[in-house]
Amino acid sequence: EIVMTQSPATLSVSPGERATLSCRASQSVSSNLAWYQQKPGQAPRLLIYGASTRATGIPARFSGSGSGTEFTLTISSLQSEDFAVYYCQQYNNWPLFGGGTKVEIK
Amino acid sequence: QVQLVESGGGVVQPGGSLRLSCAASGFTFSSYGMHWVRQAPGKGLEWVAFIRYDGSNKYYADSVKGRFTISRDNSKNTLYLQMNSLRAEDTAVYYCAKDVGLYSSRSNWFDPWGQGTLVTVSS
Repeated sequence: EIVMTQSPATLSVSPGERATLSCRASQSVSSNLAWYQQKPGQAPRLLIYGASTRATGIPARFSGSGSGTEFTLTISSLQSEDFAVYYCQQYNNWPLFGGGTKVEIK
Repeated sequence: QVQLVESGGGVVQPGGSLRLSCAASGFTFSSYGMHWVRQAPGKGLEWVAFIRYDGSNKYYADSVKGRFTISRDNSKNTLYLQMNSLRAEDTAVYYCAKDVGLYSSRSNWFDPWGQGTLVTVSS
């Protein structure tokens, strides 16, 4: 059974700084990985699929990388609207989410 | 634009039943698989169930298998989740989400999601 682990659980970042979020799979999921953003009281929003392809309308400051078991979501210069919880999801098998990383204002 | 609107949540006693609905619009509902995903208060996301575009195959998380049933009515553009034998640990916001795969038999990523409906299991 695949386990998806996100780190860190909480990331404190100042506006304008770079944020790097990690997602690790316990076994290879190839490039079958998506990232979502969730703000309080809202549904998740798709950011990245195929490990590195931005969804429609997602700003270029969001980028994804990795394959196999190690993945990274990078936000190049944090804007106020980017403070949220981020989840990775593998779809190599039946869907499984990581535990999430909360990006908070430092 | 694509829109998913869930309804049917509420408070139910342990052992009780509830049926959730998800009304879809803005896309050809009968061409896409659909999912239910839940989120317990203050917790992360948990996939619950998937149904193929034509309803011919259904898949469930182990945590709900045998208790929950996913179904769809393509003539009404509506997805359902029948939840029986509810437990306290089923308390969550339930989201419906569209799979991105056209006529796909497997799960892909989800886009978009509905706004969710809260189910509370409590005596």
